[in-house]
Amino acid sequence: KQEVTQIPAALSVPEGENLVLNCSFTDSAIYNLQWFRQDPGKGLTSLLLIQSSQREQTSGRLNASLDKSSGRSTLYIAASQPGDSATYLCAVSTGVAAGNKLTFGGGTRVLVKP
Amino acid sequence: AAGVIQSPRHLIKEKRETATLKCYPIPRHDTVYWYQQGPGQDPQFLISFYEKMQSDKGSIPDRFSAQQFSDYHSELNMSSLELGDSALYFCASSLPLAGLQLRELFFGEGSRLTVL
Repeated sequence: KQEVTQIPAALSVPEGENLVLNCSFTDSAIYNLQWFRQDPGKGLTSLLLIQSSQREQTSGRLNASLDKSSGRSTLYIAASQPGDSATYLCAVSTGVAAGNKLTFGGGTRVLVKP
Repeated sequence: AAGVIQSPRHLIKEKRETATLKCYPIPRHDTVYWYQQGPGQDPQFLISFYEKMQSDKGSIPDRFSAQQFSDYHSELNMSSLELGDSALYFCASSLPLAGLQLRELFFGEGSRLTVL
């Protein structure tokens, strides 16, 4: 059974510092990995999707890497801003037969202090 | 751009009552997923539909049922509600599968169910 872990569970940084969020998964036979942002009580906003054949994806200040063999992904957010404060979730898809069913990590709650 | 629409956004029910949540996927998306997120929990997969057929089933209680209609919208029906059913229910949709390139999931804002 796929298990996804995110460390740390919470992170507080001063504005301008780079953020590094870690995600690990137990079953390396994934089809893709997706990073989401969730504001309190709100929905999930997709940030980046990395296919299993890719090693990284970039969007603006966001960069996500994927090391499938070691079961790890890292989300980097450059030059953090107070508006980046949110919970960040990673989720993995474990196969075509399962459609695109995602297994989520517990999230990292980020606070960027002005 | 159009997003996934869920209704109602908030719902309050008594124990043992029934609730129905609706989901309207992004146009041209034919796959719909339902997730449940309890307080302080990560989202848990309930059920998914592809082309109006159930494609996968997760930790969905027998008291819950769902279906996808001809216009691709989906409804999640929950009966004999329990206190533990209080949660945020998300619907997500994606484009048709393209070979092994599974598509990105787009989530709605969620429907918050409170069972008293």
